[in-house]
Amino acid sequence: SQQGEEDPQALSIQEGENATMNCSYKTSINNLQWYRQNSGRGLVHLILIRSNEREKHSGRLRVTLDTSKKSSSLLITASRAADTASYFCATDFTGNQFYFGTGTSLTVIP
Amino acid sequence: DVKVTQSSRYLVKRTGEKVFLECVQDMDHENMFWYRQDPGLGLRLIYFSYDVKMKEKGDIPEGYSVSREKKERFSLILESASTNQTSMYLCASSLQVRSSLAKNIQYFGAGTRLSVL
Repeated sequence: SQQGEEDPQALSIQEGENATMNCSYKTSINNLQWYRQNSGRGLVHLILIRSNEREKHSGRLRVTLDTSKKSSSLLITASRAADTASYFCATDFTGNQFYFGTGTSLTVIP
Repeated sequence: DVKVTQSSRYLVKRTGEKVFLECVQDMDHENMFWYRQDPGLGLRLIYFSYDVKMKEKGDIPEGYSVSREKKERFSLILESASTNQTSMYLCASSLQVRSSLAKNIQYFGAGTRLSVL
């Protein structure tokens, strides 16, 4: 399987703290994306980083990519209770088919 | 906004029943996907389709089939439901890109939670 893995599986932090989750993958990629899933709902796209990029920002989100280590990290700064969700990385090497990781469950305590 | 609609949020079926999960997207996307999601296993691809009447097996196609008679609709079929098919099923769609360097994202439906008793 080319499925990636997120680490940690679960993370619990206080509101206002930063949350960092990591993703490791197995094959060479073109893009890596992060998605968010609220409990019992579908996934929503957050941010995409190309294989030739090392860092990308979007609002309170910061994504890094290290292709030599086949890993990525997602940082959520100044977390809010509304950030409570599961976060998944997804990799692709064709542009059309994606491989999703196992997810990190984030709980932000008010 | 892209909308991907799954026909049922919750479904309860009996072992051996034939089950149809329907998915419709309204953005004229070429690609459509069916995943199942289980705790600790993440999303696993069951089938995907790049065009009408076209299908490709994903990682776990056993026990499932699909139908894509129209571009906007992609159906997942459980020919004879079994208890190990109790899961959350997610449908997604995306544009079809010609270059592996193109940026592309998937849009998901809200999911169907299927229980097979």
